[in-house]
Amino acid sequence: GDSVTQMEGPVTLSEEAFLTINCTYTATGYPSLFWYVQYPGEGLQLLLKATKADDKGSNKGFEATYRKETTSFHLEKGSVQVSDSAVYFCALSESGNTGKLIFGQGTTLQVKP
Amino acid sequence: DAGVTQSPTHLIKTRGQQVTLRCSPKSGHDTVSWYQQALGQGPQFIFQYYEEEERQRGNFPDRFSGHQFPNYSSELNVNALLLGDSALYLCASSPGLAEDTQYFGPGTRLTVL
Repeated sequence: GDSVTQMEGPVTLSEEAFLTINCTYTATGYPSLFWYVQYPGEGLQLLLKATKADDKGSNKGFEATYRKETTSFHLEKGSVQVSDSAVYFCALSESGNTGKLIFGQGTTLQVKP
Repeated sequence: DAGVTQSPTHLIKTRGQQVTLRCSPKSGHDTVSWYQQALGQGPQFIFQYYEEEERQRGNFPDRFSGHQFPNYSSELNVNALLLGDSALYLCASSPGLAEDTQYFGPGTRLTVL
């Protein structure tokens, strides 16, 4: 079945450093891909999405490009802030439009001043 | 524009009891999905409701049931609670079955003692 794999965390960076969180997926069809962010004690917030190959999703300085050839959707940000500290989840919409989102295990980002 | 709301915020139950969690979708959304997020894990899909019917179901036992009301709000019921049911329960809504982007509420933290 469809699945998502994220890089292990935690990722610890200094403020203004460059961020990459790797995400790869397995899917039988052409899913939409998502990044969600979860701040401590809160629910998930949609960060960005891409719906087809070579699409780039972007929001709040974060970007991710849908790479069908490498089945990847890596999250990047050029300069992180302390306020970006959170858990980041990569997800895909299950093939066949089942309404089910399949999530990776999450990657914790810690940004130090 | 009110987002997805959930109640209660926290709940403590004992093994064998039953619990009901509630969700109101984002304005204009008619499709509600429920997810279980164990500590340190990504959310796992429980089921989805549309037009007051369960449309899709994940790999959860029949102890987990739900309901959707004519105003699109939804309930998640869990019977015969087990310690392993302790988790954050997330509700997500979307504007129809064809839309794969889901917006999440803050969650209900259930603790089973």
